[in-house]
Formats: sequence, structure tokens, C-alpha cells
Amino acid sequence: EAGVTQFPSHSVIEKGQTVTLRCDPISGHDNLYWYRRVMGKEIKFLLHFVKESKQDESGMPNNRFLAERTGGTYSTLKVQPAELEDSGVYFCASSQGGQKMPQHFGDGTRLSIL
Amino acid sequence: GNSVTQMEGPVTLSEEAFLTINCTYTATGYPSLFWYVQYPGEGLQLLLKATKADDKGSNKGFEATYRKETTSFHLEKGSVQVSDSAVYFCAFIGGGADGLTFGKGTHLIIQP
Repeated sequence: EAGVTQFPSHSVIEKGQTVTLRCDPISGHDNLYWYRRVMGKEIKFLLHFVKESKQDESGMPNNRFLAERTGGTYSTLKVQPAELEDSGVYFCASSQGGQKMPQHFGDGTRLSIL
Repeated sequence: GNSVTQMEGPVTLSEEAFLTINCTYTATGYPSLFWYVQYPGEGLQLLLKATKADDKGSNKGFEATYRKETTSFHLEKGSVQVSDSAVYFCAFIGGGADGLTFGKGTHLIIQP
């Protein structure tokens, strides 16, 4: 089966611009998670979808970040306007079943804000 | 709050050496514990897991035991190979949050 795919793999934009990251979970996985790793720091949880509903968005840094999962399939994470501190690697993960089920990760999108 | 503490490294070992990467956690309730691995140029992969106290997770020669009394989940391997060179992340789920709580990752380098 195809794994979690993320696009693009790398994005370089200027401060103030808008960027949209996409994640395609494993087919049939209801749970979709977004995480972020800022250089030198831990990987941090951003939010969790169950199908198309946001279950927990307690980790979203501020209202410049908007995540959607229309139709409960792929998800997008939009940053508008981007700031320097948003640079990092954004990971998406998916799982099926309860909270204790392992999450399968994509390769990540490396976002660089200049 | 929730947190994971692990050595960051880099940890450099010779091939066939014994490996221990320490991991301790702070969480409320009864979390499930995981080790993830990131090989160069790749994404995070689940290495092993344990869901309750005294469970031992194992995979690819790696082992870790869920120690509730010491809130630890140390990763061990008896004889490492060059192909084990990667970054290893200790993580848990639980403690009131939906997502995984990660440590900073341990960069492991195995020399031939």
C-alpha cells in the first residue's frame, strides 16, 4: 500500500508570502496529524483530524496557520502570511483505529522562510 | 507538562558494539510509548512500541521495556551495524493530548 505522501518536499518563500502544504494519508486512515520540527527543537504536535473534523488543534501556533481536510481524505496546511519563525520541517502522519495505534509518517516538507 | 528526555548525541559507536539510548518521560495517566527512527533522507518510521507497564517492544534486534516505576523506555541493541546509523526518537501518546510527544532525537553514528 502507498504510504503517507507530502508535497512539496521543500519550499522556499519570502516572509509575508503564503504557502500551502499538502498531505495524502494512507487510504482508509481516518486519523490525520500534523507536526512541526523547528531546528534544534522537538517535533511538536500541531493538530489532529478524525475524518474531516478537527479533533484537537491545541498545538497550532497562531491564527496564521489554517488546516483543512475536506471530504476526509487529503489535508492542507496553509501559512498566511509566513514569518521567519515558521521555518522548519512539517510532518504529516495517519493512523486507523484508537489513539494507541501507531502513526505512519510522511517524509516531511522542509519550509524555509527568507 | 508532558515531555520526553533523551540524549541528543551524536553518539558514535563501532560496529558490533552494545547500544543503549536512554529515554525518560513525564506524562499524566498511562501513555503508550514508542521509538521512531529516521534514516538519512527518509521520513520517520515506527521502530517499536509498548502500550502498558512491563511490556517489551522489539524489532530489528532493538528492544525497549516500559518501566512505569522509573518512567523510562530505554532503547537497546546487542550488536549494532553501520546500517543502524540514524536519528532515534522516543515518544509517547497520552497525557491528555491527541498527538505524540517527542524527545529531541538521538543522532547515532556507527563506524565500521
